[in-house]
Parts: sequence; structure tokens; C-alpha cells
Amino acid sequence: QSVLTQPPSASGTPGQRVTISCSGTSSNIGKNTVNWYQQLPGVAPKLVMFVNDNRPSGVPDRFSGSKSGTSASLAITGLQSDDEADYFCAVWDDSLKGWVFGGGTRLTVL
Amino acid sequence: QVQLQESGPGVVKTSETLALKCTVSGVSLSTSPYYWSWIRQIPGKGLEWIGYIYYSGSTYYNPALKGRVAMSVDRPLNQFSLDVNSVTAADTAVYYCVTVVAAFGDYFDFWGQGMLVSVAS
Repeated sequence: QSVLTQPPSASGTPGQRVTISCSGTSSNIGKNTVNWYQQLPGVAPKLVMFVNDNRPSGVPDRFSGSKSGTSASLAITGLQSDDEADYFCAVWDDSLKGWVFGGGTRLTVL
Repeated sequence: QVQLQESGPGVVKTSETLALKCTVSGVSLSTSPYYWSWIRQIPGKGLEWIGYIYYSGSTYYNPALKGRVAMSVDRPLNQFSLDVNSVTAADTAVYYCVTVVAAFGDYFDFWGQGMLVSVAS
């Protein structure tokens, strides 16, 4: 059972907009910034959003992030087939005194 | 370009110590604003943060790992290391070494390719 709650799956057709949510508590998302990672099959995770809503260089502007209260979201617009991957959220938890991750959301492009 | 590479045995026996090294290239371990971390992933499952270490050698570990973890740095070789003692099958995972950026909110940036370590009886 992960500390951060993500839906196990999400899907969309090419060109659509999808949103992946990450729900936490006042000791993690409520107090600290959220980062998002994309993991393609068989490879290491890759940073796609940092400090809630900042895109690393090289990540398309189709990706955006937001945070409100104890929840955060990653949105992908203009969905493409190579967006198909697992997505994880991560945040520092003040109560657990460590980094915690969501269980991951498998995004399928139909 | 920052690159990290894990190395070590792919199989460890139950109750023994898992020992991995991470060789960093493209940046010195002393470079600000970086510090260094280990994260693991049970195949097909989620991610678990193990701990982090600064260039100075200061460390902080996941309390959930109950004191079984130790990290160190080798400054001349630009490497940092992970030891997990008294391993069980539950420690079988892909182990990643990762850079952490200390910014206006810290985040994991560059990742090694990962190394699968299996614990066998």
C-alpha cells in the first residue's frame, strides 16, 4: 500500500487530454513539492515534472503539473503513442521522514 | 552529461550483505546543488527510497529499513556505495542510484540504468 494514492490505470486516444492524479496528506503533498516520473518498460524512471509545475528541458509542453491542497495532478495533452508508460508521483513526507512514491499509473494510448 | 552506473553482484544469499557501487561521470560528487541517493523497485511494483548521502559523507536513511542500510562516498573514484545487511527475499529488487537536486524543492534528476539484485537462499 503506497503512501500516495494514484489510479492504477488511465487511458486515452491519440490527441486526447488525460490527467493522472496523486492524492496524499497534510504531511506530504500538503507541505512539500511534488515531482513526477515517467517509466517506459524496462528502463529507469525519467523526470517529467519537478516542484509541482516545472518541466525539465526536453520534456514537451504537452506535459503540465499542478498541486492543490493535498493532491497533485499531471496532465498530458495531445496524447501520443510514445506517452504510453507508467507514471509515478513523489514527495517528501515530514511524518515518515523520507521520500514517498505513488503506486504508479499505467497510461495506455488506445 | 551526467551519467550514473550501478555495479555489484546480481545475486546475494539470504542473511548476507548486499553491496552496490555507483560510478558517477560528467559531474563531481562535490558539485552543488547535487547530492546522491539510492532507490529500489521490486519488479512490476512501485518505488522505494532507501536513503541519501552528501559529498561530506553525511547520510540519511529510510527509517522503514530499520538500520540495515549504510552508504559511503569514495571521493577519488567519484563513487558512492550502498550496503544492505541481513537481506531476505523481500530485498530482491532493481536498485537505482540517482542524483538529487537541492533546489526550491528537491527532486530526483538523473538515474542509473538500474541493477537487478536477487536474494537467494
